[in-house]
Amino acid sequence: QLQLRESGPGIVRPSETLSLTCLVSGDSISSSFYYWAWIRQPPGKGPEWLASVNYRGASYYTPSLERRLTISVDTSKNHFSLRLNSVTATDTALYYCARQDCRGDICYRTFDYWGRGLLVAVSS
Amino acid sequence: DIVLTQSPLSLAVTPGEPASISCSSSQSLLNRNGYNYVDWYLQKPGQPPQLLIYLGSNRASGVPDRFSGTGSGTHFTLKISRLEAEDVGVYYCMQGLLLWTFGPGTKVEIK
Repeated sequence: QLQLRESGPGIVRPSETLSLTCLVSGDSISSSFYYWAWIRQPPGKGPEWLASVNYRGASYYTPSLERRLTISVDTSKNHFSLRLNSVTATDTALYYCARQDCRGDICYRTFDYWGRGLLVAVSS
Repeated sequence: DIVLTQSPLSLAVTPGEPASISCSSSQSLLNRNGYNYVDWYLQKPGQPPQLLIYLGSNRASGVPDRFSGTGSGTHFTLKISRLEAEDVGVYYCMQGLLLWTFGPGTKVEIK
């Protein structure tokens, strides 16, 4: 059974860089079928997709945050990571990692497995 | 950017009764391949979202057949034929045509 687990700091100071890691177990991150994603959810709000990466490092970013985001993959450790720089209070959120699968001949991507989420607060 | 709106934003339903949630998109989600690039997710309290419906009308594995998705272009509907207590939570539509964005959510409670 695939499991994803987020790790990282619970508190980050304003203007600093948030670094998160998602450990994948139960499957190889090197499968060509999948992308691996970060999604966040501010308190009381809906989810916001941030970025996705595949095992070769091909990546997509949400345009509004692209300049501040870096997503990366480490196949040797079966994990992927996210860095968000210059954080402010508006970056306070529950951060999820998720797998994007590939459905049908059109390879339509859905978020089929999610981690439990990691609450990150930006505070001095 | 594609913007999704949902209505209603909250809904209280008697168990066994039907429920319906609408999702509207600022632009068509119908791809040239004939598929509508819209999904529905349910987020139960304290849990991450879980996939219910993909490509507008396809139930994900393990999803009960009381859930159905309809619509095309810019208007979509999620219907629950008979609400059960385990269906409470927040329902989100999501577009996957141009990257991925979620709607604001519809909170479903038991009346």
